[in-house]
Order: sequence, then C-alpha cells, then structure tokens
Amino acid sequence: DADVTQTPRNRITKTGKRIMLECSQTKGHDRMYWYRQDPGLGLQLIYYSFDVKDINKGEISDGYSVSRQAQAKFSLSLESAIPNQTALYFCATSDASGGARNEQFFGPGTRLTVL
Amino acid sequence: AQSVTQLDSHVSVSEGTPVLLRCNYSSSYSPSLFWYVQHPNKGLQLLLKYTSAATLVKGINGFEAEFKKSETSFHLTKPSAHMSDAAEYFCVVSGQAAGNKLTFGGGTRVLVKP
Repeated sequence: DADVTQTPRNRITKTGKRIMLECSQTKGHDRMYWYRQDPGLGLQLIYYSFDVKDINKGEISDGYSVSRQAQAKFSLSLESAIPNQTALYFCATSDASGGARNEQFFGPGTRLTVL
Repeated sequence: AQSVTQLDSHVSVSEGTPVLLRCNYSSSYSPSLFWYVQHPNKGLQLLLKYTSAATLVKGINGFEAEFKKSETSFHLTKPSAHMSDAAEYFCVVSGQAAGNKLTFGGGTRVLVKP
C-alpha cells in the first residue's frame, strides 16, 4: 500500500463550488504539506503543518484553507473554486528530525479542473 | 530568501548518450539540495540529496549530482540515458533560513529518443 494517499485522484467541478481534497499517510511523520503544480512553475507551497496544532500559510494560500484532523490526515479545501485553481495538487510528508536535510514524500497527486 | 533556476525547460537525448540537467540555486545559508523525478501521472520520487557531506552525490537509477558552492550549482548527470528516464525532473533547495521549506525549480522535461 502507498505511504501517502490522496483522494480523489481526479475531480472536475464548477466555479463557486466548495471542494475538499484529502491526504492520508502511514509513514508516522509529523509534518505534512500541500502544494500545487502548474506547468513551468514547479511546485508551490500552499499550506504546511508541523504537527496537529500547528498550521502555517505557504506562498500561495489565498483561496485555500486546511484542516489537520489527526497526525495522519491533512485536508485542503477550496471554499469557492475558481478556474485559475485548476492544477495538479500534491500532498507531502516529512519527518521532524533533521530539519532542512529531510526529504519529503509525495502522494500521487489530485488533478483538479474548475470549469 | 532561497531560489532555484533550472536552466533548461526541455532536454532531448538519444538512448545510450549522457544526460545533463542544469540547476543553479540561491540560498542565504548552507542549503540542502535535492533532485526529484516525476514520471507521467505519478507523484514525485527522490533521486538524490546533498546535505553538506560529500559534494558528489550518487542517487538511484545511475544518476549523480555534484554540489559546487563556488558556482552555486547542483547539476544532475547520468552517463547513459534509458528510455525509462523520460520524465520531468525538479531541482529543489531547502534551508533553515526558509523554515526548512522546499523551493522548487520550474522543472526540466527529458525526452529520450530511441
């Protein structure tokens, strides 16, 4: 079984709808992250959480919110989806020890299309 | 602030020939550097990482990268490309000054011709 899972894998929705993307991990990591990927821009950090009670905004948090329901679960919500939020979304996890040296482990991604 | 520039958005090589993917970084402190690979419709997988130990880093699938502080570069190479190397590659920097967050380059898409 995959260590980091994301649901759904694909979603098509309409402008103005509320959307939730879910991420679960079995790696036992404290740190979890949400990124979006747009062509030519690499991945940009939306939100990150260093533990259940610690939520932080990333580079592009406007229009998004998150919830850390448990160590293993981190959800991303689009309160009112708009077409320029059409992108590939990735969840990632990392261990707290080692700081900047630690790699992040990525889920398979969710492709979101907002019409 | 930290940043990463991948100098080529696309690289095309013939199977069996060397691959070179170029990456330059900017970081206020001693950075950690990573290369990730993304195959079509897949998540990102770590190829290798530099964390202030040996400057020549060997990774999976025959890839290696050399950290050159004087040139602020971390280029990725492979002596002989395989068809399965066709993917997108991301150079990534991380540092304490940026709260240990990752900063991604824009990616290099590799095409391998038979």
